[in-house]
Amino acid sequence: SQQGEEDPQALSIQEGENATMNCSYKTSINNLQWYRQNSGRGLVHLILIRSNEREKHSGRLRVTLDTSKKSSSLLITASRAADTASYFCATDETSGSRLTFGEGTQLTVNP
Amino acid sequence: GAVVSQHPSWVICKSGTSVKIECRSLDFQATTMFWYRQFPKQSLMLMATSNEGSKATYEQGVEKDKFLINHASLTLSTLTVTSAHPEDSSFYICSASRDIYEQYFGPGTRLTVT
Repeated sequence: SQQGEEDPQALSIQEGENATMNCSYKTSINNLQWYRQNSGRGLVHLILIRSNEREKHSGRLRVTLDTSKKSSSLLITASRAADTASYFCATDETSGSRLTFGEGTQLTVNP
Repeated sequence: GAVVSQHPSWVICKSGTSVKIECRSLDFQATTMFWYRQFPKQSLMLMATSNEGSKATYEQGVEKDKFLINHASLTLSTLTVTSAHPEDSSFYICSASRDIYEQYFGPGTRLTVT
């Protein structure tokens, strides 16, 4: 079953603006990951944050994790039209186990 | 490294026929492979988890006799949709895992059952 909820479901911004997407989950997790999916394509792994980490950066991406609130956020700074895609969070409850995906946020970056 | 391929990338079949989808890890040995299904504008739903040489573990609600999974080697897993129906039309994505942290996803297979 899907335990992750993401908001917003859809986000439309202008190029150069920042985009923030949120993810909430229900159970204790081992780590949380963010993925990107272009329309009709497979998933691309963006970043993994472990349960004992609070913040992680990778290029223009910044991920936060608040295990007390069971939530995570993905910030994309200085967005580009090429960032247009669906973004999913995924959690796993124990190491090496199945991933549970959130509902996803459809991001549209207008040039 | 960590490239996963799927074949075919898209397939159209008639209702009642069976379709086989292959998932290969090209440059690493995958201890575990996962199969997901994704309907339009929805998230990925895990169908089953398979380990090389053992029977797949299916998620609740997934018919194991309809979705046959064979994990023949550390680099190949196949999903066969048997007696396909239009409601089986979906995007099927596999992933392969070589360690405890990350899954590497294939590009997906679009199945359309007419």
